[in-house]
Amino acid sequence: GDSVTQMEGPVTLSEEAFLTINCTYTATGYPSLFWYVQYPGEGLQLLLKATKADDKGSNKGFEATYRKETTSFHLEKGSVQVSDSAVYFCGGGSNYKLTFGKGTLLTVNP
Amino acid sequence: EADIYQTPRYLVIGTGKKITLECSQTMGHDKMYWYQQDPGMELHLIHYSYGVNSTEKGDLSSESTVSRIRTEHFPLTLESARPSHTSQYLCASITGGGVGTEAFFGQGTRLTVV
Repeated sequence: GDSVTQMEGPVTLSEEAFLTINCTYTATGYPSLFWYVQYPGEGLQLLLKATKADDKGSNKGFEATYRKETTSFHLEKGSVQVSDSAVYFCGGGSNYKLTFGKGTLLTVNP
Repeated sequence: EADIYQTPRYLVIGTGKKITLECSQTMGHDKMYWYQQDPGMELHLIHYSYGVNSTEKGDLSSESTVSRIRTEHFPLTLESARPSHTSQYLCASITGGGVGTEAFFGQGTRLTVV
């Protein structure tokens, strides 16, 4: 079945540092890929997505590119803020089935 | 903003009590899921439904049950709560087939059984 492997945390950065959270997926087809973010005490919110190879999803300064050749969808942000502190989930979905990674806790210190 | 709601947000109950966690969505989605989230953050699928009168067990065995009598409503019930049921429960509704698949999540219910 489909699986998603994402970088385990926790990740601790200083404000304005560069962020990368790695994510790779294994699927029988070509799923859409997502990054969801979960702030403390909340549910998951869609951060960005890409539906086909070479698509780049972007939102709030975060970016991820769907790389079919490396089966990757790494999340990046050039300058993180304290407000970006949250748990980030990589996921893939196709035909109503979703598969999530285990989540990466990001803490950004001022 | 997603139109999917979970109540209550927080619940503390005693062992042996029966509880129902509510989940409702106003988007008309047929597919709905329940996830249990452990303290290590990982999401475990415990139940899903592909429409009215359709319910299936997920990847993680759970002592809870679900029902789907109306499209918009997908409640989860624990007949006799135990401390091992203490967890965060997240409800989601799914839209789109193929590459259009996307999930909308409720804010979650944090359950503590004492």
